[in-house]
Amino acid sequence: EVQLVESGGGLVQPGGSLRLSCEVSGFTFNDYDMYWVRQVPGKGLEWVSTISWNGVDKDYADPVKGRFTISRDNARNSLSLQMTSLSPADTAFYYCARDGLPYYFDPTGYFDFWGRGTLVTVSS
Amino acid sequence: EIVLTQSPGTLSLSPGERATLSCRASQSLSDSLTWYQQKPGQAPRLLIYDTSNRATGIPDKFSGSGSGTDFTLTISRLEPEDFAVYYCQQYVTSLTFGPGTKVDIK
Repeated sequence: EVQLVESGGGLVQPGGSLRLSCEVSGFTFNDYDMYWVRQVPGKGLEWVSTISWNGVDKDYADPVKGRFTISRDNARNSLSLQMTSLSPADTAFYYCARDGLPYYFDPTGYFDFWGRGTLVTVSS
Repeated sequence: EIVLTQSPGTLSLSPGERATLSCRASQSLSDSLTWYQQKPGQAPRLLIYDTSNRATGIPDKFSGSGSGTDFTLTISRLEPEDFAVYYCQQYVTSLTFGPGTKVDIK
């Protein structure tokens, strides 16, 4: 069974930092591109970042570029998101998600499995 | 950036009725469009990918159609578990979501 479990969310002051983690199981982690997607409570979905199956290629949405860093540890089946210079606009549930196909079929850009999310609240 | 517009914002229907949800893109997507369902307190669930392909385990009451800039998700006969928010997402250029359509009980 495919499982993705996020952790690391919490309350942080504006300007602060936080590191999110996503532990995965039930599939060959290093075959898939992975993503972070966020959702302000009660609002819509927003793609945040992408990392390729081998960790070489990374991409970020404009609002987080230069502040967030995505990484992965394929030996530990783990995905991370380092967030710095946080502002109240970053308050959201953060989901990790898997690409729809393994890399050898060409990554798709849609998400077939999602974690349950972790809530990040940026407030003084 | 490709902007997705979903209509209506809210769709009020009764169980057993047919639901038709629209997603319009600001530029052509070819068939690179996906639909997700989200229930309160849950993560989104993949329903449809590449415009019309049902994801694993998705019942055939859900169907997707369209091409270019206009796409439709149809739920043939609504059941109580189908009342939720539905999002479209494009993946032809970067990744963007529509604002969602809430399907609620009339």
